[in-house]
Amino acid sequence: RKEVEQDPGPFNVPEGATVAFNCTYSNSASQSFFWYRQDCRKEPKLLMSVYSSGNEDGRFTAQLNRASQYISLLIRDSKLSDSATYLCVVRRGGLIFGTGTRLQVFP
Amino acid sequence: EAGVAQSPRYKIIEKRQSVAFWCNPISGHATLYWYQQILGQGPKLLIQFQNNGVVDDSQLPKDRFSAERLKGVDSTLKIQPAKLEDSAVYLCASSNRGYEQYFGPGTRLTVT
Repeated sequence: RKEVEQDPGPFNVPEGATVAFNCTYSNSASQSFFWYRQDCRKEPKLLMSVYSSGNEDGRFTAQLNRASQYISLLIRDSKLSDSATYLCVVRRGGLIFGTGTRLQVFP
Repeated sequence: EAGVAQSPRYKIIEKRQSVAFWCNPISGHATLYWYQQILGQGPKLLIQFQNNGVVDDSQLPKDRFSAERLKGVDSTLKIQPAKLEDSAVYLCASSNRGYEQYFGPGTRLTVT
């Protein structure tokens, strides 16, 4: 079993849709939590950190549930430019990545 | 601010050959990481340096992979000898005091 599990997708959604990604992690010693975005053939880039209180950055909302070891990312009003792979990441020293969920937004 | 630099960007070698990758982190970043990303998977940490010391190399296949960061700045990752399953993108990242990690563009290795 992978330490960080994600649905690989792909999620194909129309512009303007709301889409949610889920992620679970198995090691309760994980210290920090993030969502990274990776465009095709590019390096990963930090999208946002994730906190138990929930946090929002524009159209993006992230949530952490430590008790159930569950992380979520909600994207509202999807744009074509949101098309990418979204990587769920936990930190125990170095970063531990999920396999990523691919999102394709179509016109 | 200049980002993390890596070279070469692409490399094709035959199995059993050797290869080396180079990384120059963001200036002032004490922590440097090497990750391996196989197609369709997320990056996997191979080794973490703090200055010129190794913090974590538990997932580095030490029979064939080696890495060094002699002066606490640049780093090299070597594979000797390469296997087909080493085909991947090798990403270098750096961070300042454990905060956000910034990734370089990666080296895409193809082993034939």
